[in-house]
Amino acid sequence: EVQLVESGGGLVQPGGSLRLSCAASGFSLSSYDMHWVRQPIGKGLEWVSAIGSAGDPYYPGSVEGRFIISRENAKNSFYLQVNSLRVGDTAVYFCARSTATGAFDIWGPGTMVTVSS
Amino acid sequence: QSALTQPASVSGSPGQSITISCTGTSSDVGGFKYVSWYQQHPGKAPKLMIYEVNNRPSGVSNRFSGSKSGNTASLTISGLQAEDEADYYCSSFTSSSTLVFGGGTKLTVL
Repeated sequence: EVQLVESGGGLVQPGGSLRLSCAASGFSLSSYDMHWVRQPIGKGLEWVSAIGSAGDPYYPGSVEGRFIISRENAKNSFYLQVNSLRVGDTAVYFCARSTATGAFDIWGPGTMVTVSS
Repeated sequence: QSALTQPASVSGSPGQSITISCTGTSSDVGGFKYVSWYQQHPGKAPKLMIYEVNNRPSGVSNRFSGSKSGNTASLTISGLQAEDEADYYCSSFTSSSTLVFGGGTKLTVL
């Protein structure tokens, strides 16, 4: 079965850091662009990073410089290092696979990140 | 990159058709044939319903269809069913090689 599973979420103080992981099964993620999308509770979806099959990263301006995406094809996994966390970063973080045209066809169930003192 | 504009809510009765709009700019929706639509039930991950403006993934009902005119894309659901009640999001590729979502639309089946 093709699936993605996130891990690494939790409670962190403002200014802190977390490393989110996304493990793929049922397919080789080395052939795909992979993404992180977040959703504050009760609010909409926000795309926060992508990594191309060649390892090229992409970010929206809202997180550039604080979030770092990486991949480890040998472990069929990719990651999101989130630094200098703010209360506004509190959200469910989903990992997702996309087609070549940016359609997210496989999603993980999500991992909750709570930034609070 | 600003979020794409969607109506906050739409509603319809079982059997009716509804349309959700998604308005962007020439740098996203209007500039590419790369608009997708997602359905999200409470507490669940989003599900891809439409890709590349008007294509349905395998397994998605043909009651769901997509279109685009200029900077506005649309999702139409025909023959509304109770199970269609959910939040719907559009997304588009952008000229900055990023992706942007719409603010989401809550569909209520009366």
